Amino acid sequence: GQQVMQIPQYQHVQEGEDFTTYCNSSTTLSNIQWYKQRPGGHPVFLIQLVKSGEVKKQKRLTFQFGEAKKNSSLHITATQTTDVGTYFCAGPMNTGFQKLVFGTGTRLLVSP
Amino acid sequence: KAGVTQTPRYLIKTRGQQVTLSCSPISGHRSVSWYQQTPGQGLQFLFEYFSETQRNKGNFPGRFSGRQFSNSRSEMNVSTLELGDSALYLCASSFGLPNEQYFGPGTRLTVT
Repeated sequence: GQQVMQIPQYQHVQEGEDFTTYCNSSTTLSNIQWYKQRPGGHPVFLIQLVKSGEVKKQKRLTFQFGEAKKNSSLHITATQTTDVGTYFCAGPMNTGFQKLVFGTGTRLLVSP
Repeated sequence: KAGVTQTPRYLIKTRGQQVTLSCSPISGHRSVSWYQQTPGQGLQFLFEYFSETQRNKGNFPGRFSGRQFSNSRSEMNVSTLELGDSALYLCASSFGLPNEQYFGPGTRLTVT
């Protein structure tokens, strides 16, 4: 079935370092969404990318959607302790839009 | 605007019992999706309801069922609980997949 993988599974950085998580789908996606889940919390929507090659920025976060619409990345510049959490990408199933497939997630730990 | 609410927040059940979880979406949202989150399997899609109709279903056994009421509130039911059903159950509302979703705080179910 359709799979969405993320790498790395886990990353521990020092505050101020950059961080990148990569999302790869086994099939083409109509759009890609990114969510952040803080420890003990629930996923919170960050952004949605729709166009091939699209790049969007939110302050220190930069999101990219690959040209083939099968991969995406999230880059955080100069991490802060508030960035701690698990980042998930998600894309609609290509056999039915009313089903979202979530990536495996990347857990980020930031040390002060 | 009030967020997505889920009740109860925590639940302890015995194997073989059944459980009903409730979700109230954001006002105006007609789509409610349910997810199971476990450390080993990540975020797994259970089903999605839109205007009282189930539009899609994940790969879960028939013990997992749901429904949506005319006011968009949704319930999910798990019958004959198994130890492996212990998880965080999240519901999310939206204007309709594949749009961004807004998650509730979840119901932590423990089956003993």
